[in-house]
Amino acid sequence: AQSVTQPDIHITVSEGASLELRCNYSYGATPYLFWYVQSPGQGLQLLLKYFSGDTLVQGIKGFEAEFKRSQSSFNLRKPSVHWSDAAEYFCAVGASSSGNTPLVFGKGTRLSVIA
Amino acid sequence: SAVISQKPSRDICQRGTSLTIQCQVDSQVTMMFWYRQQPGQSLTLIATANQGSEATYESGFVIDKFPISRPNLTFSTLTVSNMSPEDSSIYLCSLRGGGSDEQFFGPGTRLTVL
Repeated sequence: AQSVTQPDIHITVSEGASLELRCNYSYGATPYLFWYVQSPGQGLQLLLKYFSGDTLVQGIKGFEAEFKRSQSSFNLRKPSVHWSDAAEYFCAVGASSSGNTPLVFGKGTRLSVIA
Repeated sequence: SAVISQKPSRDICQRGTSLTIQCQVDSQVTMMFWYRQQPGQSLTLIATANQGSEATYESGFVIDKFPISRPNLTFSTLTVSNMSPEDSSIYLCSLRGGGSDEQFFGPGTRLTVL
């Protein structure tokens, strides 16, 4: 069965510091991987996605993620965090090319940013 | 991409009543998904709604509590029945598709049950 683990429930970083949010997945085939962000009181927004090819993918807002098949990981990174990045981040995995099955989401990591 | 709208955006309801949430999509889709997000929690899939057939419910969710309609390929409703304060959550309509297979979400309905 598919599953996603986000081991960190809550992370606090200083503004300007680097960030890495961890995501591990369990999936039987080549996964489609996603990171979503949910700002307070806002809907879910797609940050980036990985289907195939280059294992380092760039997303919006300066985020990137690296797919490591050997570690079943898809960690999200940002070199310099801004206060506006404070939000809930969700990693998700799904089957390829299937509009009939929903993605499986992790429990999320809450990011707090301090001055 | 897909544009999903939900109504109402928020509501405050009394215990024991029911609320129907509407979800409208700007394109035709086979499957629509309904999620619940309890305060401070992740997304929990309630059910998958296929046009023309009964919805498929996840473990822990039943049709009597969360009846779903799917009258056409662009519209769905979720009813939260006989509400209790534990039903206070954000309810999200979603679909997966487009060329990128990403999942799109509506803005959510924030429900508070007193």
